[in-house]
Amino acid sequence: DSGVTQTPKHLITATGQRVTLRCSPRSGDLSVYWYQQSLDQGLQFLIQYYNGEERAKGNILERFSAQQFPDLHSELNLSSLELGDSALYFCASSVGAGTSNQPQHFGDGTRLSIL
Amino acid sequence: DAKTTQPPSMDCAEGRAANLPCNHSTISGNEYVYWYRQIHSQGPQYIIHGLKNNETNEMASLIITEDRKSSTLILPHATLRDTAVYYCIVRVYPTFTSGTYKYIFGTGTRLKVLA
Repeated sequence: DSGVTQTPKHLITATGQRVTLRCSPRSGDLSVYWYQQSLDQGLQFLIQYYNGEERAKGNILERFSAQQFPDLHSELNLSSLELGDSALYFCASSVGAGTSNQPQHFGDGTRLSIL
Repeated sequence: DAKTTQPPSMDCAEGRAANLPCNHSTISGNEYVYWYRQIHSQGPQYIIHGLKNNETNEMASLIITEDRKSSTLILPHATLRDTAVYYCIVRVYPTFTSGTYKYIFGTGTRLKVLA
């Protein structure tokens, strides 16, 4: 158990819809990272938040957005969903801002299926 | 692009040591090497990381060559539960737009432990 909690575990929805994925980091971790893993792309970094502020962006689409709340949990919002958005979405957390050598710890992911 | 190169697959007999190689010839002097594994579609599990000295923990040992251009993850007594995809990661430096170190996952090594 990594200590990172993601909900829901599975999500099935239709094209054009909007969903919200939730992540609670390990106790004491201030950074939250979001990743997408699809069959043809592997694990791709999307975005990082540190102590409530956006810290870094990766390959995140404009239809996707995220935020980190004062209690440090984070939500990833995906809108105008397309079939190609079907993937596993992982959240990871780390103690610092991502500039130290401390590793990231991953949750078990949310499997999103678009019908 | 990932800064590491790994063999796509390896087999190992149960009870034997599994030695997983990784090349990272462009690693900079102060950058760490991280190892994770992913079992089925679970979240990546942190294993170990190191800079230049050999490292050991309850899961594995990490041997880094003196020139730091390659490393080997050693699972001393592989079990069937160690069957997974193993990722060797060297973080990407911050850029003006990214602001933080990023994990770039390659395709990893698919380790199959055989009974």
